[in-house]
Amino acid sequence: GESVGLHLPTLSVQEGDNSIINCAYSNSASDYFIWYKQESGKGPQFIIDIRSNMDKRQGQRVTVLLNKTVKHLSLQIAATQPGDSAVYFCAENRGRGSTLGRLYFGRGTQLTVWP
Amino acid sequence: DSGVTQTPKHLITATGQRVTLRCSPRSGDLSVYWYQQSLDQGLQFLIQYYNGEERAKGNILERFSAQQFPDLHSELNLSSLELGDSALYFCASSVGQGDEKLFFGSGTQLSVL
Repeated sequence: GESVGLHLPTLSVQEGDNSIINCAYSNSASDYFIWYKQESGKGPQFIIDIRSNMDKRQGQRVTVLLNKTVKHLSLQIAATQPGDSAVYFCAENRGRGSTLGRLYFGRGTQLTVWP
Repeated sequence: DSGVTQTPKHLITATGQRVTLRCSPRSGDLSVYWYQQSLDQGLQFLIQYYNGEERAKGNILERFSAQQFPDLHSELNLSSLELGDSALYFCASSVGQGDEKLFFGSGTQLSVL
């Protein structure tokens, strides 16, 4: 399954399928990107990050792809499990001066995994 | 468990009142960040402290203030509370001044009645 985080806030997939969550970021000066997972009643949990000098980074069952040309970020989850059900946020850091520590979050995509 | 501790988990108060939210960062982290999460605004950055000093300011209202103490814990003070201040308030911490991953606490759910 695939969704655009800003326009389709929900994504439903079958257990075992791969999931793709997309995010369009706004600022061409952004040079650091993070994906967070937020389960109900909990704080955002770090999943994976990528810097602008890379276009792909892999973690355990997750891959982040960065396309700077079109300012697009995606999170791929392999073999999606029920425990992956959560809201997924992309966040960008513009890394300049007084905004160095500030993350700008997208609106989030609700991923639901069906058994 | 992220290692970031926030108290209290829930807070119910009335309009016009003042509350204090507390955050203890992960051991070794020097930066503390405060974020507000509401249904209509998403996750909004409020303020960042680094090693006791204010480092960056976001969409923080004048009725809100924060500080970071010598032991690096932080408090967020919200005063003259309005109904619209009801939200989840998250604290996060990081090792340096920014441009790095943040670790979030489990949040304080504030309800203003």
